[in-house]
Amino acid sequence: NAGVTQTPKFQVLKTGQSMTLQCAQDMNHEYMSWYRQDPGMGLRLIHYSVGAGITDQGEVPNGYNVSRSTTEDFPLRLLSAAPSQTSVYFCASSYSRGTDQPQHFGDGTRLSIL
Amino acid sequence: SQKIEQNSEALNIQEGKTATLTCNYTNYSPAYLQWYRQDPGRGPVFLLLIRENEKEKRKERLKVTFDTTLKQSLFHITASQPADSATYLCALHGSGNTGKLIFGQGTTLQVKP
Repeated sequence: NAGVTQTPKFQVLKTGQSMTLQCAQDMNHEYMSWYRQDPGMGLRLIHYSVGAGITDQGEVPNGYNVSRSTTEDFPLRLLSAAPSQTSVYFCASSYSRGTDQPQHFGDGTRLSIL
Repeated sequence: SQKIEQNSEALNIQEGKTATLTCNYTNYSPAYLQWYRQDPGRGPVFLLLIRENEKEKRKERLKVTFDTTLKQSLFHITASQPADSATYLCALHGSGNTGKLIFGQGTTLQVKP
């Protein structure tokens, strides 16, 4: 039982490049989400999904796309990378969307945009 | 506007003392509040959840209080140890049943031997 697995752990991109951050969970969790963490800003919600085929926007969705074709996977796509997207990205999952559900986090992808 | 505020200044305490971290929120009416621990280079790890009708919750050396009148939660670590050094995050859900969990910016605790 690996929990939440994020790949890659580190990535450097040039402005304008696109890439996909991978997130997979093996706990059969219904709810998955993506956060970015910047110094002094805390964790900010980018997109979330309450189940396969259903996604919605969080606080800071611009410049990012998501899809949820399976329960296990929730990839985050950067369409055209910008320096402002330099950040640490965390994927999280929980059993359901319920407000009493603890979130399980991956260890993050550290992304630098030059 | 809705805000969750934690003390951004690091908290430095001596080993064996009790650490107390504060989480204040405005314009939320959460039914639950959660606390997480984050170590450098790692993702947050869930510690405790407290419900609005619970005044206090304990887990080993950890204690959380939740005052919905003051709109505040306090997180205590008793008999602190250097291994407790980390950043501690509080979180609560936004409005509606969307599952969106909103985090404070975290407080870094440093326990000195």
